[in-house]
Amino acid sequence: DAMVIQNPRYQVTQFGKPVTLSCSQTLNHNVMYWYQQKSSQAPKLLFHYYDKDFNNEADTPDNFQSRRPNTSFCFLDIRSPGLGDAAMYLCATSGQLGSSDTIYFGEGSWLTVV
Amino acid sequence: GQNIDQPTEMTATEGAIVQINCTYQTSGFNGLFWYQQHAGEAPTFLSYNVLDGLEEKGRFSSFLSRSKGYSYLLLKELQMKDSASYLCAVSDSNYQLIWGAGTKLIIKP
Repeated sequence: DAMVIQNPRYQVTQFGKPVTLSCSQTLNHNVMYWYQQKSSQAPKLLFHYYDKDFNNEADTPDNFQSRRPNTSFCFLDIRSPGLGDAAMYLCATSGQLGSSDTIYFGEGSWLTVV
Repeated sequence: GQNIDQPTEMTATEGAIVQINCTYQTSGFNGLFWYQQHAGEAPTFLSYNVLDGLEEKGRFSSFLSRSKGYSYLLLKELQMKDSASYLCAVSDSNYQLIWGAGTKLIIKP
């Protein structure tokens, strides 16, 4: 059974039209991450939550925002998508930050910007 | 800066053995992960090394040398389903994961 669930799996949005991607987890993990991954590139960490503490990566554009209303859910909001934001967005969770804690990924949400 | 290097692409034959190398330069080291990622899917965890040596898990083994900043993933008895990208990631001194771009492995019959 899927433990990290992302919706939608595929999203097409118009240039500049806000879009929200959602993630839910059944693992009761403290940490939730959002990654952006473009074709043949490494996943790029956008931000993560440790419980309610939000940690933004220094190079994450302001266009990307996140919300975590409770332990189970996390949202990625792209306020004004550009063509360069087309990518797969991966949600992931871990029990704790770092060490040997395995990161569990969702299946990803593919975003197309037209 | 922090850097993870892996070959971009490798080709191997079904039933054979392949070794995928990863070298890293990071600020601190708190372990190295290998993930498998099939096209269009999320990465899935394969292995974790924090001490030098070889960790074996079925057909897959992972090796680490911290003094050399080097790891490899060894895949034995290759199957067609092993065609995927293999991502090396290092946990740095702040427990942030630094990811390589991945090695695309192509298996031929």
